Amino acid sequence: EPEVTQTPSHQVTQMGQEVILRCVPISNHLYFYWYRQILGQKVEFLVSFYNNEISEKSEIFDDQFSVERPDGSNFTLKIRSTKLEDSAMYFCASQWEAGELFFGEGSRLTVL
Amino acid sequence: KQEVTQIPAALSVPEGENLVLNCSFTDSAIYNLQWFRQDPGKGLTSLLLIQSSQREQTSGRLNASLDKSSGRSTLYIAASQPGDSATYLCAVNNQGGKLIFGQGTELSVKP
Repeated sequence: EPEVTQTPSHQVTQMGQEVILRCVPISNHLYFYWYRQILGQKVEFLVSFYNNEISEKSEIFDDQFSVERPDGSNFTLKIRSTKLEDSAMYFCASQWEAGELFFGEGSRLTVL
Repeated sequence: KQEVTQIPAALSVPEGENLVLNCSFTDSAIYNLQWFRQDPGKGLTSLLLIQSSQREQTSGRLNASLDKSSGRSTLYIAASQPGDSATYLCAVNNQGGKLIFGQGTELSVKP
């Protein structure tokens, strides 16, 4: 069964460093998303991406964040200068049409 | 602004019981509603998707209902098993794919 895959599963980084989280969405899907979950809190929407551009972003998704689909298969989330409060589980999701979202296993980011 | 609430926050039941998890949302103008399962430290597994025009969806021992006008959805799990132990998340879609999540119900099924 097709699935969304994410790498790395866990990344530890120093505050101020750049981090790139990678996702391979389901191959025929058109819409791509990043969500995050801070430990003990709700899953929160970060950004949606369609037709090679951001379609919507949340207040969390400030200038330190960017997304890219560089090669038609990967979908990346970059955090330019990580802060302690960026520590969270980051989930990638993809969607065919206006239906079910399929999530990856997540990338746990720990900022020290 | 859409708010999604799930009660109870935690639930412990003996194996074999039927149980109901509740989800409520403040803005009834939803596009669809999705139930997920999350195991500790893991990703989100989609269980059921209910479109706004539908009243319920069933998959195996799971049945989800939707009452849009009252802003409620329930997830019914029949004949619970220890393997059902997980956190169950309800998420509402007001537009596109931007989901608004509840805080989840942590279910423990005791053998």
